[in-house]
Amino acid sequence: DIQMTQSPSSLSASVGDRVTITCRASQSISNYLNWYQQKAGKAPNLLIYGASTLHSGVPSRFSGSGSGTDFTLTISSLQPEDFATYYCQQSYTTPRTFGQGTKVEIK
Amino acid sequence: EVQLVESGGGLVQPGGSLRLSCSASGFTFSNSAVHWVRQAPGKGLEYVSAITGNGGSSYYRDSVRGRFTISRDNSKNTVFLQMSSLRPEDTAVYYCAKDSIFGVVDSRRAFDIWGQGTMVTVSS
Repeated sequence: DIQMTQSPSSLSASVGDRVTITCRASQSISNYLNWYQQKAGKAPNLLIYGASTLHSGVPSRFSGSGSGTDFTLTISSLQPEDFATYYCQQSYTTPRTFGQGTKVEIK
Repeated sequence: EVQLVESGGGLVQPGGSLRLSCSASGFTFSNSAVHWVRQAPGKGLEYVSAITGNGGSSYYRDSVRGRFTISRDNSKNTVFLQMSSLRPEDTAVYYCAKDSIFGVVDSRRAFDIWGQGTMVTVSS
């Protein structure tokens, strides 16, 4: 199975901050990389697929980049509604493994 | 509206069984693979099982293989996860998710629709 490792596991940030989360795959996955946002008590929501394509309705302050084994999710200006946990997932092969998550908390 | 609704969760003793259902609406169900993802209390997302649109192929993570069975009834737009020999470590919220293909030439897959989740608690 492909292992996905996110860093950091958590971070504290203020509204308006630029936030970056990284995800590393245990082998090359081209750009078969998705990002999800999960708020407390809710199901995950798709943010980005194909490493860099924003899903319909996702604000443009979110962006993704990377290819191969190293990927990044960036929030350009953190908003109050962005405080949540973020997960990367590879869609290169089954099982579609997830990273362990990055919790974005209010500073 | 495109949606998935899970049901069937509850409290069960170790060694017991439960059958989860994932009912779909608003899209051509037989065209979509469906996946089960679970989340133990306070933990991250864990990929559990999947079934293709026609039901011809399935996947199980190692820790549930031989204990869980995934199936689907496309006439009822429903996917099932039959869970037996349940263990305390199976305690989690179980989500079903729809697998979608984005793009034509250089397509990518992602879970664009998720159910609300159903809680499974395995405890004596």
